[in-house]
Amino acid sequence: AQTVTQSQPEMSVQEAETVTLSCTYDTSESDYYLFWYKQPPSRQMILVIRQEAYKQQNATENRFSVNFQKAAKSFSLKISDSQLGDAAMYFCAYNLGDFGNEKLTFGTGTRLTIIP
Amino acid sequence: DAGVTQSPTHLIKTRGQQVTLRCSPKSGHDTVSWYQQALGQGPQFIFQYYEEEERQRGNFPDRFSGHQFPNYSSELNVNALLLGDSALYLCASGGRNYGYTFGSGTRLTVV
Repeated sequence: AQTVTQSQPEMSVQEAETVTLSCTYDTSESDYYLFWYKQPPSRQMILVIRQEAYKQQNATENRFSVNFQKAAKSFSLKISDSQLGDAAMYFCAYNLGDFGNEKLTFGTGTRLTIIP
Repeated sequence: DAGVTQSPTHLIKTRGQQVTLRCSPKSGHDTVSWYQQALGQGPQFIFQYYEEEERQRGNFPDRFSGHQFPNYSSELNVNALLLGDSALYLCASGGRNYGYTFGSGTRLTVV
């Protein structure tokens, strides 16, 4: 079974600084998808970034970027120029890429605090 | 464009009762997945509906059942509620190609 591990229960960063959240996963498959979701107190899961395993280039969305190391099964999220609105729980998630399989497997999350 | 909408937002039920939660997917999405998120945990996959049928199921007992309607909206039913069923229930629509869209969830408390 696929598992996702987030080893940092809590992280904090000074406003405008850069922070990296860690995620590792366990799979024997070669075709899969990885995601980072943000969950603010409003409870809604908001997609931050998405990576397809067959793409070697790391995904980037504005201030958010990932460091995808397929061989090491690592998928870290870097947030640059941290803003107060970035404070939230961040979840790493995995989806096996086979047809009809839309199940997301989530990690336990990292709570990110932004220090003004 | 409305995203995923869920109702109700909060619910309190007594142990042994039955509950129905509702979800309307984002416009243009035809699949709906349900997740259970216990306090301090990541969401756990319950099941997914596509073309009005359960296509995939997680490790949840038969007390958890669902339905998808022709307009793609969905219901999650939980029978014989246990205290351990207290959680945030999230609905998601869409797929991995563009990222799943989640609703704000229903907070279920079983007393």
